[in-house]
Order: sequence, then structure tokens, then C-alpha cells
Amino acid sequence: KQEVTQIPAALSVPEGENLVLNCSFTDSAIYNLQWFRQDPGKGLTSLLLIQSSQREQTSGRLNASLDKSSGRSTLYIAASQPGDSATYLCAVGGGSNYKLTFGKGTLLTVNP
Amino acid sequence: DAGVIQSPRHEVTEMGQEVTLRCKPISGHNSLFWYRQTMMRGLELLIYFNNNVPIDDSGMPEDRFSAKMPNASFSTLKIQPSEPRDSAVYFCASSRQGWEETQYFGPGTRLLVL
Repeated sequence: KQEVTQIPAALSVPEGENLVLNCSFTDSAIYNLQWFRQDPGKGLTSLLLIQSSQREQTSGRLNASLDKSSGRSTLYIAASQPGDSATYLCAVGGGSNYKLTFGKGTLLTVNP
Repeated sequence: DAGVIQSPRHEVTEMGQEVTLRCKPISGHNSLFWYRQTMMRGLELLIYFNNNVPIDDSGMPEDRFSAKMPNASFSTLKIQPSEPRDSAVYFCASSRQGWEETQYFGPGTRLLVL
């Protein structure tokens, strides 16, 4: 059974700082990995999707990397802003489960 | 596009009552997913439809839960009878084709069973 872990559970940083969120998974036979953002009381918004054959994806200030062999992914946020404050969830697709398995998320607070 | 639409946004009911949650996926999307989110268990897939056909319902907790997709633009998740442990946020999501593609989430229905 695929298990996805996100560390830290919460992170507070000052505005302008570069930061890294971590995601690890137990079954490396994955199809893809996605990073989502969830604002309080809202649904999830997809940020980046990395196929298993890719090493990274970039969108604006966000960069996600994937290392299948070690079962790890990171989400790098450059020059953080208060508007980046949200919960970030990692979801792994495939492996023994033909579906997305989600981590419990990292709650990010960017202080002005 | 209006995105994925869910109703109601909030539901408060008493134990034993029937609850029906509704979802309208994004037009043109062939896959629809129902998820449940709780603090303890995080986000869990309940059921997944492709072209209106249930593909994976292994996440449906028990017989009290049922889901239907009578057409490409509408799905329901029903809980009968409801119990306090069903209290959670229920999300509907859709994708163009399959779980492998980007999923677009609705705003969720916050359910409280007293």
C-alpha cells in the first residue's frame, strides 16, 4: 500500500525567503506525482504534475523535483509572498494503486 | 468554465438521516472522483467514475455509502443512514481522462452529522 509523508507538517517563514517542502513515498513504481495547494475552506488547486519519466517541472516561482529511486519529491518556492500561505499537498499516482494517494500536507505561513 | 460545482456547500443533519451530495464536473471531462477529507485520515478517494461507469469503489467505507453518475454532467454521493463519524469535507474532482491527468477539485461540501 502506497504511503505518502510530508515533512514538516507546518512551516512559518518571513516574506522573501526561499523554501523547500518535502514529500516522500514508499512505493517507487509510480506513474506521476502532483503538488496541490489548498486554501482554508476551499478545494485543491493543482500546481505542478511530474510524470515518472521527468525529473522536474517549473511554473513561475515554483519548482518541483522528483527522485523515484529514493521515493522523494521537493517543492521549491522562490521569494515567498504572504499570498503563498496555504496548505500544500503532495499526491502520488500509480504504484500498486491505480489512483492518487495524498499526503496530509504542509501548512505554510509566510509572514509579511 | 465554471469549474467543478458542488452542492450543498454546508450540510448539518442528525444521525440516521439520509444525506445526498451533488456534483457537476467540468464539461468535457470524462472522469469524476469523490474524496473525503478529515484531520485524522487526510484526503481519501471514495470512488472513481470513468465515462459514467464506476471504476474503483474500494474506498467506499461501507454499504451506507452509495454513488451514482447517471450522465456525464451529474453525480451524487448518498449516505444512508448517516452517522457522526461521517462528518468530514467531501470533495468532487474531475479530469479529462483518468486519474493520470490533472484533477480539478470543487469547493467541497462540509458535512456535520450530529
